[in-house]
Amino acid sequence: GESVGLHLPTLSVQEGDNSIINCAYSNSASDYFIWYKQESGKGPQFIIDIRSNMDKRQGQRVTVLLNKTVKHLSLQIAATQPGDSAVYFCADLGPNDYKLSFGAGTTVTVRA
Amino acid sequence: DTEVTQTPKHLVMGMTNKKSLKCEQHMGHRAMYWYKQKAKKPPELMFVYSYEKLSINESVPSRFSPECPNSSLLNLHLHALQPEDSALYLCASSQEDRITGYEQYFGPGTRLTVT
Repeated sequence: GESVGLHLPTLSVQEGDNSIINCAYSNSASDYFIWYKQESGKGPQFIIDIRSNMDKRQGQRVTVLLNKTVKHLSLQIAATQPGDSAVYFCADLGPNDYKLSFGAGTTVTVRA
Repeated sequence: DTEVTQTPKHLVMGMTNKKSLKCEQHMGHRAMYWYKQKAKKPPELMFVYSYEKLSINESVPSRFSPECPNSSLLNLHLHALQPEDSALYLCASSQEDRITGYEQYFGPGTRLTVT
């Protein structure tokens, strides 16, 4: 089964607001986590990653938070824009493994 | 260049046809992957090649046959497919070295329809 799951299948956000997408994982040995964005008709696009020795990492308008105590991962998008509308997948990677385990995905819709 | 290219973009084939999907990357990545993605679902891993050798086969039916002719190319040969094999087929690549970075870069996919 999937080792990573998302809390909500859909999220509707007003343009300009901040978005928070949540993800829970079950494998306490996972040491690498990734967020992907997939727009309609395209392949997944890498957004940001974080390793298990960190609890926060920031990119351009995005922040990933990792809480290993409760095995929770989140993606925060600042000032959400229409171009942020997509399906967002979290994924984790166990040690000594090439296989990413994907969550079910959250569809983000940005309202104008 | 962080691009993975895939051809064709769309493919329609009958159940008795033989076709091939192609993938190419020029990032010097030594690991390449095939995924299958059904609508509104996450990608499912099919095969992994590491240094041009098949390292993972996720119990994929033999009607799917991967091939890695060189470090930049990855093919997926299709034969006697079933309608339920219709999906988006994604290729990805990554650095083999987990220490230096492990993000997988995905191509745009081939939308396959089996009739």
